This record gives sequence, structure tokens and C-alpha cells, in this order.
Amino acid sequence: DVKVTQSSRYLVKRTGEKVFLECVQDMDHENMFWYRQDPGLGLRLIYFSYDVKMKEKGDIPEGYSVSREKKERFSLILESASTNQTSMYLCASSSSPHEQYFGPGTRLTVT
Amino acid sequence: AQSVSQHNHHVILSEAASLELGCNYSYGGTVNLFWYVQYPGQHLQLLLKYFSGDPLVKGIKGFEAEFIKSKFSFNLRKPSVQWSDTAEYFCAVNSKAAGNKLTFGGGTRVLVKP
Repeated sequence: DVKVTQSSRYLVKRTGEKVFLECVQDMDHENMFWYRQDPGLGLRLIYFSYDVKMKEKGDIPEGYSVSREKKERFSLILESASTNQTSMYLCASSSSPHEQYFGPGTRLTVT
Repeated sequence: AQSVSQHNHHVILSEAASLELGCNYSYGGTVNLFWYVQYPGQHLQLLLKYFSGDPLVKGIKGFEAEFIKSKFSFNLRKPSVQWSDTAEYFCAVNSKAAGNKLTFGGGTRVLVKP
């Protein structure tokens, strides 16, 4: 079974802090994705990566950056957290163009 | 840009009732279509998918979906729901032209009363 793990289930940070969200997959998938999930808005793509050291902006990249130094690991970085970044963050991986496998999510609260 | 619309945000029904969730997408080219489900406290998981072939697709747990190309629709159905079908359901679309990115609908929360 594909396993996608995320470093934290719940995280509370203060405004202005730098925040790192880690995601690891164990299926040697080329593609990895970061989404945020908000009620009524579904999942919105923040960034994705098709290969190591490669990144592409999704639909809502502002205020975020990513890092993919190894194939299995994809990190999401909030350079200076703000309250409007309070959300559920989901990581996913896939072998394009097939289904994406999702991690359990990190619920981030920025106060 | 492709977009996905789910018509209902919340659906409440009783056990044994039939369920149909609407999904429409905007992109006119070749698409792959998905329904994902998120049970309370669990990961998002794939319910069913359509890539090509028979437009009536059967998924897990008795769910099915019908792709109607002329209507840009991919509606999800289940003839008789159970309490355990309480979840949030997401329709999603990707296409080669959009770089194989998945675009999700806003989700439909389904509550099945016992």
C-alpha cells in the first residue's frame, strides 16, 4: 500500500513565524503535491513537483515556498505565517497521470 | 483553466435512500475524472475514476458514476446509502493540457441519518 506521511497532525504557530510542513511518500512516485483544504472551497493546489529539485506553482502559491531535495520528501514552507494561512494542509503523491494518494493532513492554526 | 462545480454543499438523507451528487467541469478536451471521499477523521481516498471506455464506472462500496461528455458531467450515485457513507465527497478533474494537475470541486458533505 502507498503510504504518505505528514510530520504533524496539528500545529499551532504565531503570526510571523517560519513554518515547515514535511511530507514523505514510500512508493517512489515522481509527482508530489501540496494542497490546502478549506470548507466550501475544496482542495486548492499550492505547489507541486514532478522531479527532485523541480517545483511548479499551483493555483494559490502566494505566501508559500517548497523544497524537494529527495524524491520521497516534499516540504512546504510558510516564510512568515499569517492568520489567513490557518487551514488543513494535505500532501499527495502520484505516478502521473494516475490517482493521487493523500496523507492524513496537518491542521495548522496561526494565532 | 479548468474548473469543477459540485452542486450541493450539504446533503442529509436517511439510510436506504438513494444518493446522487452532481459534478460538472468546464474543460472541453480529454479529461480524467475522479471521485474522492473523506470519512470523518480519515485520509482522502479514491472512490472511483474514469479515464476512458465505458462511461458508467463502478467504484468501491457500491458507488458508481456516469460520465456524460455532452453535459460535461460526472455524477456520483449510490442506490441505497448506509450510515457509514457519512463523509465529504469531492469530484476532481485532470487533463494533459492542464499539466495533469488535479482540480477539485468544493466538496459535498453527506450526512446519513440512522
